Parts: sequence; C-alpha cells; structure tokens
Amino acid sequence: EDQVTQSPEALRLQEGESSSLNCSYTVSGLRGLFWYRQDPGKGPEFLFTLYSAGEEKEKERLKATLTKKESFLHITAPKPEDSATYLCAVHVVTGTASKLTFGTGTRLQVTL
Amino acid sequence: EAQVTQNPRYLITVTGKKLTVTCSQNMNHEYMSWYRQDPGLGLRQIYYSMNVEVTDKGDVPEGYKVSRKEKRNFPLILESPSPNQTSLYFCASSFWRDTEAFFGQGTRLTVV
Repeated sequence: EDQVTQSPEALRLQEGESSSLNCSYTVSGLRGLFWYRQDPGKGPEFLFTLYSAGEEKEKERLKATLTKKESFLHITAPKPEDSATYLCAVHVVTGTASKLTFGTGTRLQVTL
Repeated sequence: EAQVTQNPRYLITVTGKKLTVTCSQNMNHEYMSWYRQDPGLGLRQIYYSMNVEVTDKGDVPEGYKVSRKEKRNFPLILESPSPNQTSLYFCASSFWRDTEAFFGQGTRLTVV
C-alpha cells in the first residue's frame, strides 16, 4: 500500500529560524512528488513538483529537494506569513489507475 | 481569472437526503478530482476523471458518485448521505494527471 508520512506534525519557529520539513514515501510507480501550502479554511495552493531523485526547486524562502525515499522542504529565514500547513503528495500510476496520495501535513507556525 | 469553483461552500443536510456538490473549472483542464479532508487523515482522493466520460475510483469512493459530461464540470453526488460523510470536500483540476493541481475553496458538509 502506498504511504506518505510527513514530519514533524507541528513546528513552531521564530522569525528567521531556518528549518526543514520531511516527507517520506513508500510507493511503487512514482510519477511525481508535490508540495502544497494550505491556509486555514482554504484549498491547498501549489508550491513545487519534483519528478526525479536529485531534483531541487526554489521559490523565495522555500527550497524542495527529492531523494528516492523522501523529500525535504527547507525554509530559510521564515517570516510570520509563512505560517500554514504544508502538504506533501505523491502521484502514483499503476496500470491505468492514476492516484494522488497526500500526507497529513506539517502545521508550521512562525512567530515574531 | 483561472479558478476552480465549488458550490455550495457550506451545507447541512439530513441522513439519506440526496445532494450534489458542483465543481467547475475555467482552465480547460483534462484532469479533475474530488478529495475529502478529515482531521488526522489528511486529504484522501474520492474519485478522479482523466477526460470527459472517463472516471475512476480513488482511495475512498464508497457512498459517492461522480459524472463528467462536460470538460469543465465534475459534480460529486451523495445518493444517501450518512453522518460519516461529514467532512471538508475539495475539488481540484490540473492540465494533466502529473501536473500542478488547482483546488477549489472547499465545501464543508455536515450530515445529521
């Protein structure tokens, strides 16, 4: 069974305190790994897609990396507006089936 | 403006009363899907569609139906809702199955 595990469940950082969120996966037929940001009461918002081990993508204070077993979302010098839940998802294709499986997310709070 | 529109945003209904949640996208996307989000369980895929008249089950399809008669619309139908279907529902669309997904604002459903 495909599994996606995110850690930690919750993370509290002070403004400027860099850290990393982890997404580990056990799937077969991986076609892509996605990172989304979700604010309370809203739908997830796309951040990155990674397709192969070794790939890295950056956007402002965020950088996503991918290995064969896990992905990291690095947050450099975070600001309070980075507070949100960060979701990881894997796209798996098995035969004709095409599914997106999400982790349960990391709830990030950045304080002044 | 590119968007995915769900209606209604909030719905309280009684057990057994059929309901439909509508979803429409204006981006000419091929791939559309429905998710439910529950505390501690994350986002779980209910059904997806790769094109008009092509739908398939996700991880939690029991108690739900979908149809894709037009490319832009992908309604979610609960023929006989039960309290365990109380949840936050999201519709999403993407150009193709392994590209970034755009999510709607969500529909909070309560079945009493």
